[in-house]
Amino acid sequence: EAQVTQNPRYLITVTGKKLTVTCSQNMNHEYMSWYRQDPGLGLRQIYYSMNVEVTDKGDVPEGYKVSRKEKRNFPLILESPSPNQTSLYFCASSPGDRAGFTGELFFGEGSRLTVL
Amino acid sequence: AQTVTQSQPEMSVQEAETVTLSCTYDTSENNYYLFWYKQPPSRQMILVIRQEAYKQQNATENRFSVNFQKAAKSFSLKISDSQLGDTAMYFCAFLQGGNTGKLIFGQGTTLQVKP
Repeated sequence: EAQVTQNPRYLITVTGKKLTVTCSQNMNHEYMSWYRQDPGLGLRQIYYSMNVEVTDKGDVPEGYKVSRKEKRNFPLILESPSPNQTSLYFCASSPGDRAGFTGELFFGEGSRLTVL
Repeated sequence: AQTVTQSQPEMSVQEAETVTLSCTYDTSENNYYLFWYKQPPSRQMILVIRQEAYKQQNATENRFSVNFQKAAKSFSLKISDSQLGDTAMYFCAFLQGGNTGKLIFGQGTTLQVKP
């Protein structure tokens, strides 16, 4: 089954404790991206990767890091989480080297992160 | 910078009726794409419909259609014969030009379909 898989789906952690949210896609997509969803703000892009050689910041990259060592994986790293990073996080992928190449993003099921 | 605005935080419609969700955007670009995504209670984001700015014809997908007004920078979604399964949050999104792959989302509209 073609899918984008995120883990963990739910996580409660404490301020300053490093964590990684994994994202893996099995569709051989070039493009991958991370979004966070907050009430009243919609989805905001954190980082995106056009392919394994290109990664760039989105609108809200502060406090996050990403890694694209291989095509299928795009982990989101919070080196020192803070309460303002409490949010719902989505990973997405797309076959082209830009989302508009196919006009469709394939989303994971989301990861609910709470930072105390 | 491009912005996407959904001015209706919540809407409701009776089953089998028609409802229209509004979206406006701001851009100086001439070529771009617009999308509507659906997020049901399961949280999974699903693409509903896509519109290319260079196409004058409004996109349709079964019961879903858009009214794309390029000059007015308006992109509304019409849902005909509403079904209970249409209950969800709907996001309007704009695909920025260039080579960024940056999809800009609106704030979302929560739609409740009532039996």
